[in-house]
Amino acid sequence: GQNIDQPTEMTATEGAIVQINCTYQTSGFNGLFWYQQHAGEAPTFLSYNVLDGLEEKGRFSSFLSRSKGYSYLLLKELQMKDSASYLCAVVDSNYQLIWGAGTKLIIKP
Amino acid sequence: ETGVTQTPRHLVMGMTNKKSLKCEQHLGHNAMYWYKQSAKKPLELMFVYNFKEQTENNSVPSRFSPECPNSSHLFLHLHTLQPEDSALYLCASSQDLGGGGEKLFFGSGTQLSVL
Repeated sequence: GQNIDQPTEMTATEGAIVQINCTYQTSGFNGLFWYQQHAGEAPTFLSYNVLDGLEEKGRFSSFLSRSKGYSYLLLKELQMKDSASYLCAVVDSNYQLIWGAGTKLIIKP
Repeated sequence: ETGVTQTPRHLVMGMTNKKSLKCEQHLGHNAMYWYKQSAKKPLELMFVYNFKEQTENNSVPSRFSPECPNSSHLFLHLHTLQPEDSALYLCASSQDLGGGGEKLFFGSGTQLSVL
């Protein structure tokens, strides 16, 4: 079967750095997405990786290793507004999106 | 503002009621989706429409009935639901289907409670 694993919950301190991991076993691979979802709000697109390596977008970076079936989202200079759930999703060989259950990130002052 | 609007935001219904969820996208996209989001579970794809035609039905019970009158509007008609159907129902759109890198634009969802 197809599976996406990410931690259920993480806690970090304002101003610090946090890394949210995502490992996947899917039938084929055509890219990996990260979405952010604040409580009671719509998930919003953060990043899309299809090639190995690190992509940086301001305070957020996303890394992909296809050989290891592994990605992470790196958040720097954490702010209280970064408290949200972070969803990892993989596009499989049939171009279907396979979702993880999400990581709830709690930021403490 | 994502460009995708869902109404109502909250809905409480009894098991014998009939209600409808509405989704409208202002992005000029061709594909629209219904997802179910339950606490601590992955998003579950329910239905997909492309150019108003249904392209996917993921074995969803018939008590959920989708309707897509045009590329901008999507409805989910609900009848004789069960308590386990309580969840957040998310609508999404994308420019086109497939292609790997098509990102989804989501609405804020309808939080449904079935009593």
